[in-house]
Amino acid sequence: AQSVSQHNHHVILSEAASLELGCNYSYGGTVNLFWYVQYPGQHLQLLLKYFSGDPLVKGIKGFEAEFIKSKFSFNLRKPSVQWSDTAEYFCAVNGNDMRFGAGTRLTVKP
Amino acid sequence: ETGVTQSPTHLIKTRGQQVTLRCSSQSGHNTVSWYQQALGQGPQFIFQYYREEENGRGNFPPRFSGLQFPNYSSELNVNALELDDSALYLCASSLDYGLAGYEQYFGPGTRLTVT
Repeated sequence: AQSVSQHNHHVILSEAASLELGCNYSYGGTVNLFWYVQYPGQHLQLLLKYFSGDPLVKGIKGFEAEFIKSKFSFNLRKPSVQWSDTAEYFCAVNGNDMRFGAGTRLTVKP
Repeated sequence: ETGVTQSPTHLIKTRGQQVTLRCSSQSGHNTVSWYQQALGQGPQFIFQYYREEENGRGNFPPRFSGLQFPNYSSELNVNALELDDSALYLCASSLDYGLAGYEQYFGPGTRLTVT
């Protein structure tokens, strides 16, 4: 069965710290991978996506993610977080259907 | 360009009742997906409609049903409401059909409370 795991429920960082949020999935076939972000009081927005090609994808606001097929992982990274990055982050995988992880709440302290 | 809109914003229903939630797609989008997001969880896929036909379904019982209209707006209907149906219901539209490889634009959601 297809599933998505996000390892961190809540991450607290200081501004300028580096960020890495883990995402692993289980699915035997070809997948498309996404990271969505939900800022407080706002809609879910697409941060970045991977369909094919270069496994290192760059998204908006300085975020990037790397698809490692052998590890079934699609971790999200940002070299230096800002207070405005405080939000809920969801990893999603599209194989048979669209599956989301449970989300990681990121709090950035000013 | 108009984004995805949903109505109503909030709704309170009693167990056993029926509810209809509405979604207007982003301009030009022909595919609509519905999700249920329980508190503290990620969205769970309910079903998808492409050109007025159901194009995929998640693990939800038949009392969850939907419609897509010629203008690509959509409805989610839930019959015989249960307490566990209390959640945020999200609608997402996209340009192309298929469950693989497309970018979805989400609405703000409808918060349903079943008492």
